[in-house]
Amino acid sequence: GAGVSQSPSNKVTEKGKDVELRCDPISGHTALYWYRQRLGQGLEFLIYFQGNSAPDKSGLPSDRFSAERTGESVSTLTIQRTQQEDSAVYLCASSLSWGGTYEQYFGPGTRLTVT
Amino acid sequence: RKEVEQDPGPFNVPEGATVAFNCTYSNSASQSFFWYRQDCRKEPKLLMSVYSSGNEDGRFTAQLNRASQYISLLIRDSKLSDSATYLCVVNGGAGGTSYGKLTFGQGTILTVHP
Repeated sequence: GAGVSQSPSNKVTEKGKDVELRCDPISGHTALYWYRQRLGQGLEFLIYFQGNSAPDKSGLPSDRFSAERTGESVSTLTIQRTQQEDSAVYLCASSLSWGGTYEQYFGPGTRLTVT
Repeated sequence: RKEVEQDPGPFNVPEGATVAFNCTYSNSASQSFFWYRQDCRKEPKLLMSVYSSGNEDGRFTAQLNRASQYISLLIRDSKLSDSATYLCVVNGGAGGTSYGKLTFGQGTILTVHP
C-alpha cells in the first residue's frame, strides 16, 4: 500500500517568505508527527496530532511555526517569515495510533532551503 | 542533559565484525524503546523494538536495562549493507500528552568496509 507522502520534496525560498509543507499519512493512521532534521543532526520533534487535535505543541520552535490537520488525514506545516536557520529537512511520520508503542512510518521529507 | 544520548561514532568496522552501540535516556517514566535505522539522505525506518527481556532479530540483538536507563544494540557478522546511522528512540512516558511523543537520539554512524 501507499506510504507516507510529502510535498514538495524540495523547496527553496527567500528569507521572509511563508512556506507550507504538506503531509499525506498512511490511510487509517490516526497519529501524525512532524520532525525537523538539520544537516548532520538528529531528529527534532515539532508537533504531533491524534486525530485532528494536537495535544503536544511543545516542540514548535517559535510562533512562526504552525500546523493543522483536517479530516484525520492531510496535515500542513506552515512557517511564516522564514529565516535561514529554518533550513532543514522536515519529516512527517504517521502511526496507527498515538501511543508510544506504535511504529512510526516516515515520509521522504521536504528539504527546505532559505536563502 | 539530553533526553537520549548516543555515542555519535563513527564506527568503522570490517565485514564480519561484531559491533555494539549504547544509548542512555533520562526519563525514568519512559515505557517504549526502539532502534531506527537511517540511510544517508533517507528517512528513518524501524529496525526493532526493544523489550525488557531483551530480544533478537537475526544478527541484531537489543537489550534494555531499566535500572541504569541504558539500551544497547549488538550487530553480529556485519554486512556492507549495515552501513547507516542507528537511532536510539524513547517514548515520553506513561500517560499525559508526552506518551505519544518519541525522542530520537542523535544517532550513531556505522560504516562497514570490505
